Amino acid sequence: DIQMTQSPSTLSASVGDRVTVTCRASQSLGGRLAWFQQKPGEAPKLLIYRASDLESGVPSRFSGSGSGTEFTLTIGSLQPDDFATYYCQQYYSYPWTFGQGTKVEIK
Amino acid sequence: QGQLVESGGGLVKPGGSLRLSCAASGFIFSDYSMHWIRQAPGKGLEWISYISMTGSYTIYVDSVKGRFTVSRDNAKNSVYLEMNSLRAEDTAVYYCAREVSKNSGLDNWGQGTLVTISS
Repeated sequence: DIQMTQSPSTLSASVGDRVTVTCRASQSLGGRLAWFQQKPGEAPKLLIYRASDLESGVPSRFSGSGSGTEFTLTIGSLQPDDFATYYCQQYYSYPWTFGQGTKVEIK
Repeated sequence: QGQLVESGGGLVKPGGSLRLSCAASGFIFSDYSMHWIRQAPGKGLEWISYISMTGSYTIYVDSVKGRFTVSRDNAKNSVYLEMNSLRAEDTAVYYCAREVSKNSGLDNWGQGTLVTISS
């Protein structure tokens, strides 16, 4: 199975900050990496697919980058609605696996 | 964009069974592969199952293999998860999700249904 490791586990930031979350895979993913946002009591929401493609309707302050085994989610200017938990997920091979999540908290 | 609505969750004793349903609307259901993902209380996301567009191909995570069965009825726009020999560690919110394509991942999720395994 492909192991996905996110860092940090928790991130404290202020509105307007630039925020970066990192995801490392135990093997190359061929670009098949997605990022999700989840708020308490809600289903995950797709933000980024194919490592860097922005899902329709997602604000442009969200961006993804990376290849191979190293990937990054960046929020260009953190907004109040962005305080949530973020997960990376590989869909390169089964079983699909998720990172453990990064909780973005208010500083 | 479409909508997915899960149902069938509840409280079940260890060793018991449960059948979850996921009803799709607003898109051509038979054009999409479907997945089940679960989330234990306060924990992260765990992918558990895949079913192809026609239902002819299924894949499971090892922890549920032999106990869970995924199926679909394209005439009813629904996907199902039959869960047997349930254990305490199966307690979770269960989500169904739509796979856009092999390159694009899971773009549409249901709201989830809670399954609690307890005596």
